[in-house]
Amino acid sequence: DIQMTQSPSSLSASVGDRVTITCRASQGISNSLAWYQQKPGKAPKLLLYAASRLESGVPSRFSGSGSGTDYTLTISSLQPEDFATYYCQQYYSTLFTFGPGTKVDIK
Amino acid sequence: EVQLVESGGGLVKPGGSLRLSCAASGFTFSSYSMNWVRQAPGKGLEWVSSISSSSSYIYYADSVKGRFTISRDNAKNSLYLQMNSLRAEDTAVYYCARTSDAFDIWGQGTMVTVSS
Repeated sequence: DIQMTQSPSSLSASVGDRVTITCRASQGISNSLAWYQQKPGKAPKLLLYAASRLESGVPSRFSGSGSGTDYTLTISSLQPEDFATYYCQQYYSTLFTFGPGTKVDIK
Repeated sequence: EVQLVESGGGLVKPGGSLRLSCAASGFTFSSYSMNWVRQAPGKGLEWVSSISSSSSYIYYADSVKGRFTISRDNAKNSLYLQMNSLRAEDTAVYYCARTSDAFDIWGQGTMVTVSS
């Protein structure tokens, strides 16, 4: 199975900050990488897929990059509604796997 | 409106069984692969199982293989998860999710609690 790691596991940031979250796969996944946002008590929401493609309706302050095994989610200017937990997921393998999550909270 | 609605969760004793359902609406259900994903209390997301649009391909996480069975009824726009030999560690919110590259549509989840 492909293992996914994320760093950091949590971070504290202020409104307006630029935030970067990193995701690493245990093997190359050819940009088959998605990012999700989850708020407490809610279902996850797809933000980006194919490493850098923005899902319809998602604000452009969210962006993704990377290749091979290493990927990044960037929030260019953190907004109050962005405080949440973020998960990466690989869908290169049919045995899908998620990263452990990165919790973004208010500094 | 594109929607997935799970049902069937509840409290069950260890070793017991439960069947979850996911009702789809607002899209052509038979054209999409579907998935079950779970989240234990305070924990991260865990993919459980996937089924292709015509049920030709089915996959399970090692943690549920041999105990859980995914199925679908395209005529009823419904996805199912039959869970047998339940363990305490199966306690989680169970989500169904549609595959479109990634998991683009999610239900609201149904809680399964395995406890004596």
